[in-house]
Amino acid sequence: AQKVTQAQTEISVVEKEDVTLDCVYETRDTTYYLFWYKQPPSGELVFLIRRNSFDEQNEISGRYSWNFQKSTSSFNFTITASQVVDSAVYFCALSEWKRNTPLVFGKGTRLSVIA
Amino acid sequence: KAGVTQTPRYLIKTRGQQVTLSCSPISGHRSVSWYQQTPGQGLQFLFEYFSETQRNKGNFPGRFSGRQFSNSRSEMNVSTLELGDSALYLCASSRDGTYTDTQYFGPGTRLTVL
Repeated sequence: AQKVTQAQTEISVVEKEDVTLDCVYETRDTTYYLFWYKQPPSGELVFLIRRNSFDEQNEISGRYSWNFQKSTSSFNFTITASQVVDSAVYFCALSEWKRNTPLVFGKGTRLSVIA
Repeated sequence: KAGVTQTPRYLIKTRGQQVTLSCSPISGHRSVSWYQQTPGQGLQFLFEYFSETQRNKGNFPGRFSGRQFSNSRSEMNVSTLELGDSALYLCASSRDGTYTDTQYFGPGTRLTVL
C-alpha cells in the first residue's frame, strides 16, 4: 500500500536560515507522482510542485528546491534563506498512476520561521 | 482564472443535525475530490466525482455523501452529525480526473459540531 512519511512534526528556524523538510514514500507502482503542498494558517492547501517517478532531476524555483532520490524513496524540500511568510504546514503527497489511487498525504511538517 | 471556492467557510452545528457543504471547481475542471482534515487523522480522502459520477470513495460511513452537478459544482452532505465530524473539509479540483493530475484546493469549510 502507498504511504508517505514526514518524520519531522515541527521545525523552528530563524529567518534567513536554510531548512530542509523530509519526505519518504512507499509504493509498489513503478509510475507515480509526488507532490508538495503548503498550508498557511488560512487553511487552503497551496500547490507547490508535482514530480513524476521518471524525472529525477532536481528542481529549483526561486528559494525553493526539491531533491528527488528514487534510491532512497525520498523527495525532500529545501527552502533557502527562509522568511517569516514561509511559516506554514507543508505536506508531501503521493499518487500511483497504474492503480489511479487518490492522493495519500503525509502528516505534515509545521515550519515556524522566527524573525 | 478563479480558484476553487467553498461555501460556507465556517459552520457550527449540534449533534444529530445535518449539513451541506458546497464546492465550485476551477473553470474547465471536471473532477472534484473531497478531503477531511483533523489533527488526529490528518488529511483523509472522502470521495471523488467526475462528470456527475462518484468514482471513488474513502473509508467513511454512509452518513457522508455527495453529488456533482452538470456544471461540475459539487456538494457534500453529512447527516446525523457526531462530535468527531468536527474538521476542516477541503475540496479539490483537477482537469482530467486522474489522481496523478495536479489537484487544486479550496480554502475549506471549518465545521464545528457541538
